Amino acid sequence: DGGITQSPKYLFRKEGQNVTLSCEQNLNHDAMYWYRQDPGQGLRLIYYSQIVNDFQKGDIAEGYSVSREKKESFPLTVTSAQKNPTAFYLCASSMSQTLSGGMNTEAFFGQGTRLTVV
Amino acid sequence: DAKTTQPPSMDCAEGRAANLPCNHSTISGNEYVYWYRQIHSQGPQYIIHGLKNNETNEMASLIITEDRKSSTLILPHATLRDTAVYYCIVRVVGTGTASKLTFGTGTRLQVTL
Repeated sequence: DGGITQSPKYLFRKEGQNVTLSCEQNLNHDAMYWYRQDPGQGLRLIYYSQIVNDFQKGDIAEGYSVSREKKESFPLTVTSAQKNPTAFYLCASSMSQTLSGGMNTEAFFGQGTRLTVV
Repeated sequence: DAKTTQPPSMDCAEGRAANLPCNHSTISGNEYVYWYRQIHSQGPQYIIHGLKNNETNEMASLIITEDRKSSTLILPHATLRDTAVYYCIVRVVGTGTASKLTFGTGTRLQVTL
């Protein structure tokens, strides 16, 4: 079945350690996104990527890094520079958007990774 | 980026229509309106989207005003399973092929017996 998979579902790390969250999709989508969600709040965009080997900072990129070496994979590293890393992290993917913005395809989300830093 | 404004919460009786409003007064001509919902601790689920015309699918209807500055998501017969946070977003077109999906805080819909 096609879909987007995040792993693991729950992750615990000690303060000061870097941690990498996995996001894989087999939908042949060009665009991928990472969001952070804190309790009772909406989704905030961390990074997004439209094509392989290219990515852009979102609204809260500080303390995070990403790579896009393969179309189907968009891992997110939460570095020790991220001051409040404990959160629910969501990955999404969608078809590429045309330059005119005419392609109107929806985004598909993974089930999320809940990261707790102790 | 066009921003969206939604009421923080709404209640609806089961079996009745739920009408969720969204204001996007700064939307530009080539931006679409998308609706998603998120049930607690799960990934958001796509509901519907539109550009100018009203749209309907098996889940909901989307009514967009003629000036496109606001829209309403309609769940025709709400059930308890529709209790969720509903997000209205506007698809942003960036430079080149890059694009963003920016979410606001959404509307928490509580469906009650």
